[in-house]
Amino acid sequence: GNSVTQMEGPVTLSEEAFLTINCTYTATGYPSLFWYVQYPGEGLQLLLKATKADDKGSNKGFEATYRKETTSFHLEKGSVQVSDSAVYFCALPGSGNTPLVFGKGTRLSVIA
Amino acid sequence: DTEVTQTPKHLVMGMTNKKSLKCEQHMGHRAMYWYKQKAKKPPELMFVYSYEKLSINESVPSRFSPECPNSSLLNLHLHALQPEDSALYLCASSQDLAGGYQETQYFGPGTRLLVL
Repeated sequence: GNSVTQMEGPVTLSEEAFLTINCTYTATGYPSLFWYVQYPGEGLQLLLKATKADDKGSNKGFEATYRKETTSFHLEKGSVQVSDSAVYFCALPGSGNTPLVFGKGTRLSVIA
Repeated sequence: DTEVTQTPKHLVMGMTNKKSLKCEQHMGHRAMYWYKQKAKKPPELMFVYSYEKLSINESVPSRFSPECPNSSLLNLHLHALQPEDSALYLCASSQDLAGGYQETQYFGPGTRLLVL
């Protein structure tokens, strides 16, 4: 079935540093791909998504490109802020009766 | 508006109590979900409703009882819970399941449950 492997943290960066969180997937066909973010004490928020190969999702300065050749959907941001401290989940639709398959999550801490 | 609301935000209950969690969305979505999330883990699916009918029950113990009274509301009734049921309970919704699970799921803020 569909699966996702996500770089595990924690990741600690200084403010204004460049961020990459790696995500690779295994899937049948070409599913939509998602990044969700969970700020401390909150639920999950959709950060961005891409629905087909070579699509780039972007939001709040974050970007991820749907790469079919490398089966990847890496999350990037050019200059992180303290307010970006959160847990980031890569996800895709599951196979069979599984609506969403999540990566294990990457905890990002940004220090001033 | 992509908002899913959940009440209460926090809940403390004893093992003999009965309580309910509520979820509401007004996006016209016809698929709704309950997830359970333990600390430092991704969410785990519990139930899926499609057009107010239970579509998936992921072998959840019967002390959790879902209910979908209409297309906007989803409840989770809790009875005789165990301390290990303490977790963040997340509700989500999506347009529908017609295209499989390609539709975006929108999550609520969650109810943080503590069972004593």
